[in-house]
Amino acid sequence: SYALTQPPSVSVSPGQTASLTCSGDKLGDKFVCWYQQRPGQSPVLLIYQDQKRPSGIPERFSGSNSGDTATLTISGTQALDEAVYYCQTWDSATDVVFGGGTKLTVL
Amino acid sequence: EVQLVESGGGLGQPGGSLRLSCAASGFIFSTSEMNWVRQTPEKGLEWVAYINSGGNNIYYADSVKGRFTISRDNAKNSLYLQMNSLRAEDTAIYYCASGTNYFDYWGQGTLVTVSS
Repeated sequence: SYALTQPPSVSVSPGQTASLTCSGDKLGDKFVCWYQQRPGQSPVLLIYQDQKRPSGIPERFSGSNSGDTATLTISGTQALDEAVYYCQTWDSATDVVFGGGTKLTVL
Repeated sequence: EVQLVESGGGLGQPGGSLRLSCAASGFIFSTSEMNWVRQTPEKGLEWVAYINSGGNNIYYADSVKGRFTISRDNAKNSLYLQMNSLRAEDTAIYYCASGTNYFDYWGQGTLVTVSS
């Protein structure tokens, strides 16, 4: 079955740029989306179709996807960005697949 | 404001049944595709089931196929998940979520615990 791999944790200093990766076989051939989940809350859609932002999501969240890796980039990271971030993809063969999540710590 | 409110979670016996409900408001439910997604600390997020707006196109994850049934009542703006033959591994927070290939709105979740 198809698998998405995310690093368990990433640390970043306030104001710096955080890059969170999501890897899968030929992932660039599929669409990827990203969710943010703060402690005790439900996931929130941040990015869909690789790089599109839903209304209300700040421009400092951006996405890209090429080759075997998709990347969520958070510019000017703030303390409130501390959360777990999940990538997700789908296709007719794999249905919906989530990555294991990356816990972002803002030090 | 979009709201999805799940209910019906609780303690279920192994081999038993539970029925989850999701009440939708703030958007046109009758034209929206809907899903159930579950989450555990061990396995993370797992998509469970999908239903199209008319209720005539349905898909399930292999892990629940033959045991769970997704349905909807557009007149009541409600989504349901009938869970039969419950197993310990079905223990999770269950979310209803709108969308097709990605999930743009999520409910707050309802906890299902399967234990004797």
